[in-house]
Formats: sequence, C-alpha cells, structure tokens
Amino acid sequence: RKEVEQDPGPFNVPEGATVAFNCTYSNSASQSFFWYRQDCRKEPKLLMSVYSSGNEDGRFTAQLNRASQYISLLIRDSKLSDSATYLCVVNTGNQFYFGTGTSLTVIP
Amino acid sequence: DTGVSQDPRHKITKRGQNVTFRCDPISEHNRLYWYRQTLGQGPEFLTYFQNEAQLEKSRLLSDRFSAERPKGSFSTLEIQRTEQGDSAMYLCASWTGELFFGEGSRLTVL
Repeated sequence: RKEVEQDPGPFNVPEGATVAFNCTYSNSASQSFFWYRQDCRKEPKLLMSVYSSGNEDGRFTAQLNRASQYISLLIRDSKLSDSATYLCVVNTGNQFYFGTGTSLTVIP
Repeated sequence: DTGVSQDPRHKITKRGQNVTFRCDPISEHNRLYWYRQTLGQGPEFLTYFQNEAQLEKSRLLSDRFSAERPKGSFSTLEIQRTEQGDSAMYLCASWTGELFFGEGSRLTVL
C-alpha cells in the first residue's frame, strides 16, 4: 500500500471557481503534513503546512483529519496562476512521502 | 544565491555510461535528501544524510547508485552503468523544518 494516495486529476476549472484536493495517508504515526506546489518542469515548493486545527493562507485552506488519515486543500477564487501540480506530503520519522500530485488547470 | 543548487541541470548520456550529480544544500542545513521524479509521479525517496552520515537508503537505490556527503556539506549522487530506466529528474532537498528543493538534474539515458 502506498504511503500517500492522491487523485491525480486533472482538474480543469474556470477562473473564480473553488476546487478541492484530497489526500490519504497510511501511517497513523505520521507527524506532519504539507502541500507543495510544482510548476511544469520546476522543483516542488512549499505551499503550506497542514495542522489539525486547519489553517488558511489567503485563498488557500488546508485541513487535516487524523482520525480518517485524510488531508485536504481548498482553493477559492481560482486564478490562472494557480495552474500547477499540487503535491501532498507526509512526514513520518525522518522521511517525507509524496503523493503523485494533482494537476490543476485554471481556464480563462 | 542561498538556495539549494544542483549541477548539472541537464545530462544526456548513453546507456552504460556513469554519471554524477552534485548538490550544494543551504548552509547549515544538516539534513540532505535525494529524490527521483518521473513524469506524472511525485518525488520518490532515494536516500538521506544527517551531516556526513547516510542514514537511510530506499530499495529503489540499486547497487549501481551511490551517494556521498564527505564533509557534511555538498553531496554527490553517482549512477554507474546507466540504463534507460534511470532517465528521470534527480532532486536534492535540504531540510530545516521545511524541505527546500534544488532545481533538479534531468537525466536522459539514450
């Protein structure tokens, strides 16, 4: 079983739409959780950390449900510049496990 | 530039040749990771170092792969007798509460 499972998409949404990505992880001992953004042929970059209490950064909201071992990312009022691949990342011990990434294209 | 740097950015080689990639992490970042990423996949863990000690290696890292971090600063990843299946982006990241990635070294094996 993979450490992190993520719907690869693709998600094609119009500008201004709200879109949600989900991710599940298999190890209940995992300690910390992140969403990374990766543009085409570029390196992954941290978008935001994910906390049990939920956290928001502008149009982006991340949620963690430890009981269900589930992580989500919500993007409101999508912009063309949000087009990218969004990677769910789970930290277990000294390891960081990546999902396959979810591809988002925001259409004018 | 104080980010993670990787060299070379692109490498095209013939099957059977050896290649070496170098990673210079952010100064004072003790932990350094190597990942491999193929098209449509997330980064897959290869190995990591805490200072100069290589603490863990993935089963993906066959005996043709070797990594070093001799002085706890820069690291090298060598692939011997390359195969077409080794074609991928090799990403280095250093960590201090957050993984900072270099721009990667893209390997194409013909």
